[in-house]
Amino acid sequence: QMQLQESGPGLVKPSETLSLTCTVSGGSISSSSYYWGWIRQPPGKGLEWIGNIYYSGSTYYNPSLKSRVTISVDTSKNQFSLKLSSVTVADTAVYYCARSVVVTGGEDYWGQGTLVTVSS
Amino acid sequence: DIQMTQSPSTLSASVGDRVTITCRASQSISSWLAWYQQKPGKAPKLLIYTASTLESGVPSRFSGSGSGTEFTLTISSLQPDDFATYYCQHYNTYSRTFGQGTKVEIK
Repeated sequence: QMQLQESGPGLVKPSETLSLTCTVSGGSISSSSYYWGWIRQPPGKGLEWIGNIYYSGSTYYNPSLKSRVTISVDTSKNQFSLKLSSVTVADTAVYYCARSVVVTGGEDYWGQGTLVTVSS
Repeated sequence: DIQMTQSPSTLSASVGDRVTITCRASQSISSWLAWYQQKPGKAPKLLIYTASTLESGVPSRFSGSGSGTEFTLTISSLQPDDFATYYCQHYNTYSRTFGQGTKVEIK
């Protein structure tokens, strides 16, 4: 059974870098059939796509966040990671990792989400 | 950038009602559209992809239609488990864009 699990600090100071890791179990992150990505949701608000990565390392980012985002993949650990630099309180959100199908689309498996608060 | 606009933002309905949610794209997106259901404190759940294909395990009372710029999600007979927030999402190789969400409330 495919499972995704986010991990990382729940509190980050303004101007610092937010770092999260998503561990994939029940399947290989090296499959050519899927993208792996990050989506966030500020408290009480809607969903915002952050970016995706393919097992080969190709990345695709939300233009509004592109200057601050880096997504990377570690196939040896079956993990992928998110780094968001120069955070502000506006980056406070639940961060989800998710899998999407290359051919048909749609994020079909999601992590449970992790709340990251930006505060001094 | 493509914008996705859902309507209504909130919908009040009763068990057994037929419910329709609309999603409009700012330009043609062919059929590259998905629908999700989200309950409080939970991750979104994929319901429909490519505008009208039901994800495995999703009840048949859910259906999607449309192409180009206008899409609909229909729940044929609303069940107690269906009270939630629904999001449409445009996707392609390079990006994803979500609608703002539609909350389905108990009337």
